[in-house]
Amino acid sequence: DAKTTQPPSMDCAEGRAANLPCNHSTISGNEYVYWYRQIHSQGPQYIIHGLKNNETNEMASLIITEDRKSSTLILPHATLRDTAVYYCIVRVAGTGGGADGLTFGKGTHLIIQP
Amino acid sequence: KAGVTQTPRYLIKTRGQQVTLSCSPISGHRSVSWYQQTPGQGLQFLFEYFSETQRNKGNFPGRFSGRQFSNSRSEMNVSTLELGDSALYLCASRGWGSRTDTQYFGPGTRLTVL
Repeated sequence: DAKTTQPPSMDCAEGRAANLPCNHSTISGNEYVYWYRQIHSQGPQYIIHGLKNNETNEMASLIITEDRKSSTLILPHATLRDTAVYYCIVRVAGTGGGADGLTFGKGTHLIIQP
Repeated sequence: KAGVTQTPRYLIKTRGQQVTLSCSPISGHRSVSWYQQTPGQGLQFLFEYFSETQRNKGNFPGRFSGRQFSNSRSEMNVSTLELGDSALYLCASRGWGSRTDTQYFGPGTRLTVL
């Protein structure tokens, strides 16, 4: 699976949009971009995933650049409960992450400020 | 639909003992993966089971083992516990196939080895 790079931490004001970037410059054509988040000491929560088109669900939007080398997760109206570590993962669909499972990096610690 | 459940949620053991953790996947999911999370190493893949067979395995010693039952429920066992085995153990389930294989995580079992 391709490697991802994320900023270690970000702050965002409550009620504003939180934009979390992820760089995946070595992504392959058949690899999807997945986002998870983990609130302290809980299990990771699936947020959204996409291949090349922008995606939106009830939690967030995912914007993938045309060359697929980077993406941005957008939380449109951040609340205090969105404070968590956000992980960007790229993997081939159908493999569950492949022989090594999902590869979690260090993620971005997003802190929502009141 | 009920999510992934893990039991017990918290466990305290002493060095040398063994422990068994249980995971019930989302209904209809036939794949179960296990991960270990520690502050120093982050989230690391242990193994994955599908249809009662281990399909993938991470880089952990043989003291870590698992199994899956015909109803897709899974257990993992750690024998001869060491202090370094103190961690959050996470289970994730998924469907099988390129469009249904997003992994969903349970709340985890917090194991403390004294």
